[in-house]
Amino acid sequence: GEDVEQSLFLSVREGDSSVINCTYTDSSSTYLYWYKQEPGAGLQLLTYIFSNMDMKQDQRLTVLLNKKDKHLSLRIADTQTGDSAIYFCAEGGSYIPTFGRGTSLIVHP
Amino acid sequence: DAGITQSPRHKVTETGTPVTLRCHQTENHRYMYWYRQDPGHGLRLIHYSYGVKDTDKGEVSDGYSVSRSKTEDFLLTLESATSSQTSVYFCAIRDAGQTNYGYTFGSGTRLTVV
Repeated sequence: GEDVEQSLFLSVREGDSSVINCTYTDSSSTYLYWYKQEPGAGLQLLTYIFSNMDMKQDQRLTVLLNKKDKHLSLRIADTQTGDSAIYFCAEGGSYIPTFGRGTSLIVHP
Repeated sequence: DAGITQSPRHKVTETGTPVTLRCHQTENHRYMYWYRQDPGHGLRLIHYSYGVKDTDKGEVSDGYSVSRSKTEDFLLTLESATSSQTSVYFCAIRDAGQTNYGYTFGSGTRLTVV
């Protein structure tokens, strides 16, 4: 079955760049997503990329997709304390999305 | 979250009692999902619906049932609550015609079974 893997934790210093990585197995995924979950809240869609793209930039966020290796990454430039959250990678090849377990991003001064 | 609400937000119940969680949407989206979130497991799909009265099981459906009698409401019932069902439950919705926009999640229900 489909699987999405992410590292569980990432710690960065405020002002540095953060890179969160994700691998997936379903080569038919049409869209790939990044969601952000702040403490006590639900998941919010942060950004997405269509499978025929290899990069998407949205302000401080850069998504890179290597379809050959089934690797997705999210880069956050100039990371701020407000970026501290859990980030979920998800693949949407069908109407049953598959989510990774989430990466906890900790930003320290 | 705009367009999707979950109730209750918090609930404490006793082992063996039935519990119903409600997800209500005002977006007229066709697809609705129930997930549970547990430390170390991420999000796991319990049940989903692809239309009124059309539902199917997810990966962790044992001990749960759902109903969708109208587009806007998707109910999750724990038939006889157990401590292993202590979790945070999230509802999500998705529009059939806008796959690129992903899913909209509710704020969650924190359920504690004692």
